[in-house]
Amino acid sequence: GAVVSQHPSWVICKSGTSVKIECRSLDFQATTMFWYRQFPKQSLMLMATSNEGSKATYEQGVEKDKFLINHASLTLSTLTVTSAHPEDSSFYICSARAVWTANTEAFFGQGTRLTVV
Amino acid sequence: KQEVTQIPAALSVPEGENLVLNCSFTDSAIYNLQWFRQDPGKGLTSLLLIQSSQREQTSGRLNASLDKSSGRSTLYIAASQPGDSATYLCAVVNRDDKIIFGKGTRLHILP
Repeated sequence: GAVVSQHPSWVICKSGTSVKIECRSLDFQATTMFWYRQFPKQSLMLMATSNEGSKATYEQGVEKDKFLINHASLTLSTLTVTSAHPEDSSFYICSARAVWTANTEAFFGQGTRLTVV
Repeated sequence: KQEVTQIPAALSVPEGENLVLNCSFTDSAIYNLQWFRQDPGKGLTSLLLIQSSQREQTSGRLNASLDKSSGRSTLYIAASQPGDSATYLCAVVNRDDKIIFGKGTRLHILP
């Protein structure tokens, strides 16, 4: 199957700083990427949908100014958590949809565990 | 609004038993349904993908069925092994391309 690489796998940052998470599709082009957040023992909650070359679409309740998403190319999307606070500590996972069919399988990165201290 | 429910939330069974995990969804207008496995602190591993026009998919000891009209899917695991212990997530792809996840079933296989 297709590979989605997410980096870093874990990060610890100080409160007030910003953290960037990268999501790359390694062997396919992805017009659409999705960002999810997962709290302990909870399911994945969709944060936003990003399409290459356009602004991301955020889900209700997700602050677009806090969670900046950039999808500059068909193989790379980034999520920047700005002015991070301890409540932003969570597991973030990206997903990419391949372009070759309309009814496609979604491939997921291995996730990034963010801890804000 | 699509809602995905997984039952049971947790399950412990002795090694070697066959088991069934259940998933239900409220809106049958889906593109496909996927079953994933998630180990603690890790990302997702895709197990099976069922397109909306299909009724089941099989991979090794895993079999997933889909009854779109009733909004149900099951994941059948045959001859369970301790290595099968993980959280199993069910997810549907809506017509608006959004992927909606259930809360998962935490499976523990007892050696």
